[in-house]
Amino acid sequence: QVQLQESGPGLVKPSETLSLMCAVSGYSISSGYYWAWIRQPPGKGLEWIGNIYHSGSTFYNSSLKSRVTIAVDTSKNQFSLTLSSVTAADTGIYYCARRNMVAPNNYFDPWGQGTLVTVSS
Amino acid sequence: QSILTQPPSLSGAPGQRVTISCTGSSSNIGANYEVHWYQQLPGTAPKLLIYGDTNRPAGVPDRFSGSRSGTSASLAITGLQAEDEGEYYCQSYDRSLRGYVFGIGTMVTVL
Repeated sequence: QVQLQESGPGLVKPSETLSLMCAVSGYSISSGYYWAWIRQPPGKGLEWIGNIYHSGSTFYNSSLKSRVTIAVDTSKNQFSLTLSSVTAADTGIYYCARRNMVAPNNYFDPWGQGTLVTVSS
Repeated sequence: QSILTQPPSLSGAPGQRVTISCTGSSSNIGANYEVHWYQQLPGTAPKLLIYGDTNRPAGVPDRFSGSRSGTSASLAITGLQAEDEGEYYCQSYDRSLRGYVFGIGTMVTVL
């Protein structure tokens, strides 16, 4: 059974960089699938951030592209998210998820439990 | 403002049927991109409920069903149960944005 677990600082200062990790268990990232980050501001809906393939190929939300980097570490079976120049609008729960292969009709399953990141001084 | 429009809230008595709509445009649902649905129970992560418009993953009760027509899709819950109370999101691909989009979510309350 595939499981994903997010980790990282819960508090980030404005203008600094948010960094999160997603550890995958029960499945080897190198075996396939794309791996995604999705976020949810407090009391609001879901926003897709971006995807990465085990080869390192990435695909980002155009509204965040200038600030986002997603990377993969196949040796540790994990992938990461960095978001630069954060503001209060970046506060929310950040989820990692697996994306199925058949583009563009892609869905996300399963999801990690999510980690809350607050941007505040 | 979400690209995919959903009613903010719906309610129903136990045993009733509720239907959640998801209205898009010619750049997403209307362009024949598939619609997927997620259930988010209070305090938990979203869970895939319906994929590819009408398909249920293993373990999802057949009380949940999906359909689509034109630029819209719908999620129906029949035989509503207290455990169904939560937020429901639709998701698709948008070719103008070149990315994945979610609806704003519909809060389902069981009376």
